[in-house]
Amino acid sequence: QLQLLESGPGLVKPSETLSLTCSVSGGSISRSTYSWAWIRQPPGKGLEWIGTVSYSGTTDYSPSLKSRVSISVSPSRIQFSLRLNSVTAAETAVYFCARVWVVRGAPHFDYWGQGTLVAVSS
Amino acid sequence: AIQLSQSPSSLSASVGDRVTITCRASQDISTALAWYQQKPGKAPTVLIYDASTLESGVPSRFSGSGSGTDFTLTISSLQPEDFATYYCQDFRGYPHRVAFGGGTKVEIK
Repeated sequence: QLQLLESGPGLVKPSETLSLTCSVSGGSISRSTYSWAWIRQPPGKGLEWIGTVSYSGTTDYSPSLKSRVSISVSPSRIQFSLRLNSVTAAETAVYFCARVWVVRGAPHFDYWGQGTLVAVSS
Repeated sequence: AIQLSQSPSSLSASVGDRVTITCRASQDISTALAWYQQKPGKAPTVLIYDASTLESGVPSRFSGSGSGTDFTLTISSLQPEDFATYYCQDFRGYPHRVAFGGGTKVEIK
């Protein structure tokens, strides 16, 4: 059974860099069938896609975050990471990692981590 | 950018009711739509993808329909465990763009 687990600091200061890691167990990041995504959800609000990294390391980012975000796969290929620069208090949110599975041309996020709350505050 | 509009934003229903949630896209997205259920404090789980394909393990009381710009998620007989928030998600621009609707909260009447 695939499991994803987010980890990283729960508190980041404004203007600094948010860094999170998603550890993948029970499956491989290297299979070409899958990509890996980060999504966030501010308290009491809806979901926002941050970006996606493919098994080969190709990335795609939300246009609104593209200048500040980086997603990468670790050399060990059992983790992928998120870095978001110059954060503000408005980016306080639960950050989720997820697997993207494309079935017959239809993508969907089929496995999710439990989420980790990151507060941006001085 | 394509916008997804869900309606209603919230609804109250009773166990056994038939519930329909609508998602409207600002442009044609074919059938590139998924539906998710999220319970408080939990990650979302996928219910439907490709507009009408039921994810493995999801109860058959959930169904999705639509194509182009108008989509619906139907729960044929609402169960106690179905009280949650539901989101639609557009994959027409995948992998370059993914968007979520604003959510519909289903509450107990």
